[in-house]
Amino acid sequence: DGGITQSPKYLFRKEGQNVTLSCEQNLNHDAMYWYRQDPGQGLRLIYYSQIVNDFQKGDIAEGYSVSREKKESFPLTVTSAQKNPTAFYLCASSPGTGASTQYFGPGTRLLVL
Amino acid sequence: GQQLNQSPQSMFIQEGEDVSMNCTSSSIFNTWLWYKQDPGEGPVLLIALYKAGELTSNGRLTAQFGITRKDSFLNISASIPSDVGIYFCAGQGPERIQGAQKLVFGQGTRLTINP
Repeated sequence: DGGITQSPKYLFRKEGQNVTLSCEQNLNHDAMYWYRQDPGQGLRLIYYSQIVNDFQKGDIAEGYSVSREKKESFPLTVTSAQKNPTAFYLCASSPGTGASTQYFGPGTRLLVL
Repeated sequence: GQQLNQSPQSMFIQEGEDVSMNCTSSSIFNTWLWYKQDPGEGPVLLIALYKAGELTSNGRLTAQFGITRKDSFLNISASIPSDVGIYFCAGQGPERIQGAQKLVFGQGTRLTINP
């Protein structure tokens, strides 16, 4: 089945720890995105990538880092610099040039111990 | 930055009733998208709109791209229990970013249905 997978479903972070959230897609999409969702709020863009080995900061990039070494994969690292990391993290992808429609993965909930 | 105002924030209805929600923007959009999100899951695309005035249906769902390009609405007819969830609008402005398209999201409408 084609789609977007995110792992793990739940992730616990200790103070001062970096954690990495996985996002994989087999839709052959060029563009990938990371969003953060807080309770009762809309989605806010963290980072996005148009092609392999290229990525851009979104609206709330501070405390996060990404890489795009493969077309299928766009992992997000939540660093210790992110002081309020508890949230629901969503990965999305879109075909790329000229295509606005984004398709989402099932999400990862990050909790701080 | 661009902002979307989605209303209402929440709705409590009886099963079988029709539902209407809308989004308005302070600036022009080229694309409007409507998503549904179940608790603990990612949003699922319901309807995509690409032209001003466009009216598109997906089963009991109907959405329209406003002719001013600053608004969109979503209607659900004859609601059923599985319609419960949070509905999000999203828009993409006219700025061209080759490859990736940045979307602006509304804050969501939470739909609750009493059987």
